[in-house]
Amino acid sequence: GESVGLHLPTLSVQEGDNSIINCAYSNSASDYFIWYKQESGKGPQFIIDIRSNMDKRQGQRVTVLLNKTVKHLSLQIAATQPGDSAVYFCAEIKGGKLIFGQGTELSVKP
Amino acid sequence: EAGVAQSPRYKIIEKRQSVAFWCNPISGHATLYWYQQILGQGPKLLIQFQNNGVVDDSQLPKDRFSAERLKGVDSTLKIQPAKLEDSAVYLCASSLVDEQYFGPGTRLTVT
Repeated sequence: GESVGLHLPTLSVQEGDNSIINCAYSNSASDYFIWYKQESGKGPQFIIDIRSNMDKRQGQRVTVLLNKTVKHLSLQIAATQPGDSAVYFCAEIKGGKLIFGQGTELSVKP
Repeated sequence: EAGVAQSPRYKIIEKRQSVAFWCNPISGHATLYWYQQILGQGPKLLIQFQNNGVVDDSQLPKDRFSAERLKGVDSTLKIQPAKLEDSAVYLCASSLVDEQYFGPGTRLTVT
């Protein structure tokens, strides 16, 4: 079965606010984790990844935090914009295989 | 750089019919993947090719699904015969090293 899952199926935020999307995983042997963004009618798009030996990684307006103690992963989006509306998936790389969890749909209110 | 191309974008068939999907990966990408994404779920790997050889097809329902990548470039995924539960988006992805680039997918509806 899947070993990666998300806490909430939907998240609604006001434009300009920060968004936090959470993910719990059960396999502590995973090599690294990736966050994907999937817009309607498109394939998943890589956002940011983090290796299992790191606890934080920052990109442009996005930060991923990894807490190995509680097996928790989060994606923080700063100053959320309407273009950020999409479904977000966390995924793990295990044995060279990409395993997706269920997504969280982010809606941005103007 | 051109992305991963897939066709058709949409397909509606009746159960027990056959269907085929085509994928053209990013030029130079040796690894090609087919995923099935059921509505509301994350993509699930069906098969992975390295050049024209199969690396992993452990989750491919081989009684009805088949895939090939004869010249190590384009790939086709076939379903024969289709079942209602095959309704999903079929995504193709390719990679040079680790990062996978996804195509737009083919949305299949089986009635």
